[in-house]
Amino acid sequence: EAQVTQNPRYLITVTGKKLTVTCSQNMNHEYMSWYRQDPGLGLRQIYYSMNVEVTDKGDVPEGYKVSRKEKRNFPLILESPSPNQTSLYFCASSLSRGPSSYNEQFFGPGTRLTVL
Amino acid sequence: GQQVMQIPQYQHVQEGEDFTTYCNSSTTLSNIQWYKQRPGGHPVFLIQLVKSGEVKKQKRLTFQFGEAKKNSSLHITATQTTDVGTYFCAGQGGCQGNLIFGKGTKLSVKP
Repeated sequence: EAQVTQNPRYLITVTGKKLTVTCSQNMNHEYMSWYRQDPGLGLRQIYYSMNVEVTDKGDVPEGYKVSRKEKRNFPLILESPSPNQTSLYFCASSLSRGPSSYNEQFFGPGTRLTVL
Repeated sequence: GQQVMQIPQYQHVQEGEDFTTYCNSSTTLSNIQWYKQRPGGHPVFLIQLVKSGEVKKQKRLTFQFGEAKKNSSLHITATQTTDVGTYFCAGQGGCQGNLIFGKGTKLSVKP
C-alpha cells in the first residue's frame, strides 16, 4: 500500500531533550516536506527536500533540522525542543514539485508533539 | 513573499445547504491544489487546477481557478454530514515555487 509513515504518533517530552521524528515513504517520491499545524495558523512548511542530499528551509525552519540521506526517509530533528514547538507535525511527499507535473502531496498521519 | 488568503475561517451550515470557500493569492499561481482534512485526520488531496479559468467537478464539489490565476473557489452543493472537515487550498507560484497553504475553512454540518 502506497503510504507515508511517521513515528512516533504522539510524544510528550521536556525542554531541551533532543528528539527525532521519522518519516518514510514507499512511493519513490523525489519531493518530501515537513509541516507544522497550529490552530488558526493552518499548515506551515518547516523544511523540504527536492531529492537525496538536497534540503532547504521552508517558512518556519528555526529550531529544526532535517536530513535526506536516502530517498525514502526524511527525519525531522529537534536538537533542543522548546514549548513553542508544541504542535501537530505532518510529513508529506510528492512525485516532484514542478508545476507541469502532477504533484499531489501525500501526507503522513501526523505526530502530536508536546514539549513541557 | 507569496501569501494565500482563505475565507471564511469557519462555516456552519444546515445539512442540504450549499457551501463555498474562497482563496486569494497575492501573486499569480502556476497551479492550485485543494485538500480536505477530516477531524483528527491528515490532509487528503482532492484536486489540482492548472489552467486559467479551469472548472472541475467531483460529484457535489465544484472547483474553479480564476482567469488571472490568483484566486480559486470550492463549492459544495447540498452538503452532507460526511463533508465535515477543514478544506485547505494550496497555491504554487513560479516554476519551482513552494506550495503555500491557506489557513483553511472549517466546515461543520448540522443534521
